[in-house]
Amino acid sequence: DGGITQSPKYLFRKEGQNVTLSCEQNLNHDAMYWYRQDPGQGLRLIYYSQIVNDFQKGDIAEGYSVSREKKESFPLTVTSAQKNPTAFYLCASSIDIGSVGNQPQHFGDGTRLSIL
Amino acid sequence: KQEVTQIPAALSVPEGENLVLNCSFTDSAIYNLQWFRQDPGKGLTSLLLIQSSQREQTSGRLNASLDKSSGRSTLYIAASQPGDSATYLCAVRPGGATNKLIFGTGTLLAVQP
Repeated sequence: DGGITQSPKYLFRKEGQNVTLSCEQNLNHDAMYWYRQDPGQGLRLIYYSQIVNDFQKGDIAEGYSVSREKKESFPLTVTSAQKNPTAFYLCASSIDIGSVGNQPQHFGDGTRLSIL
Repeated sequence: KQEVTQIPAALSVPEGENLVLNCSFTDSAIYNLQWFRQDPGKGLTSLLLIQSSQREQTSGRLNASLDKSSGRSTLYIAASQPGDSATYLCAVRPGGATNKLIFGTGTLLAVQP
């Protein structure tokens, strides 16, 4: 089945540690996104990528980094500079770039990150 | 700056009731509006997408409307069922080249059997 796979489902970070969240899609979508969800705040965009080897900062990029070496993969690294990383992280993808059609974003099942 | 608001934050209804969820946005220059469902601890499932040129979209018991000029959208759920219990989120795509979404904080719906 086509879809978006996020792993791990739960992740724990120690003080000063970088951790990487995986996001893989087999939908052949060009664009991929990372969102952070905190209770009562909805989803906020961290980074997005419209095409391989290119990505842009979203609204809350500080303390995070990404790479887009393959179309299918868009890993997110939560660095030690992110002082409040505890949240639910959601990866999404969509088929369109720019104004090519109105296509919905499809989401993975998320990774819950907590601090030890 | 675009802001999206959803009211109420939580809603509890008896099974079988028709209900309306509200979404408002501050900037009418949007490309489209999308309604999602989120079950506890899960990702988002896309329910309906309304393009800026459309007034409504329907899928089964769900009907979403869009009034761009007033900055409002509603999600109507007919004959609600306990399985409809979830958080419902709306998101707008602002005008522009990228498919960035700006989300509301959601409405937590509980349908009582």
